[in-house]
Amino acid sequence: AQTVTQSQPEMSVQEAETVTLSCTYDTSENNYYLFWYKQPPSRQMILVIRQEAYKQQNATENRFSVNFQKAAKSFSLKISDSQLGDTAMYFCAFISGDNNDMRFGAGTRLTVKP
Amino acid sequence: DSGVTQTPKHLITATGQRVTLRCSPRSGDLSVYWYQQSLDQGLQFLIQYYNGEERAKGNILERFSAQQFPDLHSELNLSSLELGDSALYFCASSVPGGGGAGYQETQYFGPGTRLLVL
Repeated sequence: AQTVTQSQPEMSVQEAETVTLSCTYDTSENNYYLFWYKQPPSRQMILVIRQEAYKQQNATENRFSVNFQKAAKSFSLKISDSQLGDTAMYFCAFISGDNNDMRFGAGTRLTVKP
Repeated sequence: DSGVTQTPKHLITATGQRVTLRCSPRSGDLSVYWYQQSLDQGLQFLIQYYNGEERAKGNILERFSAQQFPDLHSELNLSSLELGDSALYFCASSVPGGGGAGYQETQYFGPGTRLLVL
């Protein structure tokens, strides 16, 4: 069964600095998709970024980028120029191409300090 | 705003009762997914419907059931409620897969329904 591990329960960063959130996953499949979702205090789940396993290029979305290491089964999220509004829980998620059971990590609570 | 709507926002009920949670997907989305977020179990996939038919099942209890109607809205029915069913229930939707078998579309989440069982 696929598992997703986020080893950092909590992290903090100063405003305007860069922070990296870690995520590892376990799968024997070759076709899968990875996501980072953000959950601010409102509890809404907001998509941050998506990565297809078949793409070698790391996904980027403005200040958010990932470091996808397929062989190491690692999928970290880098947030540049951190803003106060980035304060939230961040969840790493895995979904197979053939199975719609999306698996989530336990989350990392990120606090951006002024 | 993701475009996915869920009602009610909050629900308080007693053990043994039955409740229905409602979800309306984004316009044009055919797939609806249900998730449960609880303190002890984290985020868990419950069930998926695609254009009215059940497509995938996750860790959904037998006391729980869902359906998707012809207008594509979905309902999650929770019965014989227990204290441990208290959680945030999310609905998500996605467009039909455009890349063929083995392709996954991004899921967009609604604001959730917070259920408290007393």
